Amino acid sequence: AQSVTQPDIHITVSEGASLELRCNYSYGATPYLFWYVQSPGQGLQLLLKYFSGDTLVQGIKGFEAEFKRSQSSFNLRKPSVHWSDAAEYFCAVGAGFKTIFGAGTRLFVKA
Amino acid sequence: ETGVTQSPTHLIKTRGQQVTLRCSSQSGHNTVSWYQQALGQGPQFIFQYYREEENGRGNFPPRFSGLQFPNYSSELNVNALELDDSALYLCASSLANGGGPGELFFGEGSRLTVL
Repeated sequence: AQSVTQPDIHITVSEGASLELRCNYSYGATPYLFWYVQSPGQGLQLLLKYFSGDTLVQGIKGFEAEFKRSQSSFNLRKPSVHWSDAAEYFCAVGAGFKTIFGAGTRLFVKA
Repeated sequence: ETGVTQSPTHLIKTRGQQVTLRCSSQSGHNTVSWYQQALGQGPQFIFQYYREEENGRGNFPPRFSGLQFPNYSSELNVNALELDDSALYLCASSLANGGGPGELFFGEGSRLTVL
């Protein structure tokens, strides 16, 4: 069955430090992979997506993610975190007509 | 370009009642998906509509139903409300192009509380 696992429920990083959010997926075919961000009380916004080609994809707000087929992973990274990055981050896999989301990782940023 | 809008933003119902949530798609999008997001969880797929037909359904009972209208707006109806139906209901529009699942554009959601 298709699924997405985000092992970290929450992460705290200092402003200016680097960030990596982990994501593992289970999907039988070539996956369509996404990272979305949700600020408090808001809907979800797409950060980046991977469909094919270069396994390192760039997104908005300085985020990037790397697809590693051998590890079934699609980790999100940012070299320097800003206080405004504090939010909930969801990894997702496109499975036919639907998109399956992980449980999310809440990012806290400390000054 | 108008984004996805949902109404109402908040509502409170009691067990056994019925609720209708509404969604206007982003301009040019022909597909609408509905998701339920319980507190502290990721969005769970309810169903998707394409050209006014249900295109796929998640693991939700039949008391969750929907409609899509010719202008691609959509409604989610939930009958016989239960306490566990309390959640943020998200509408997402997209453009189906036969190339696989694409980007979803979300509204800000309707927060339903069932007492």
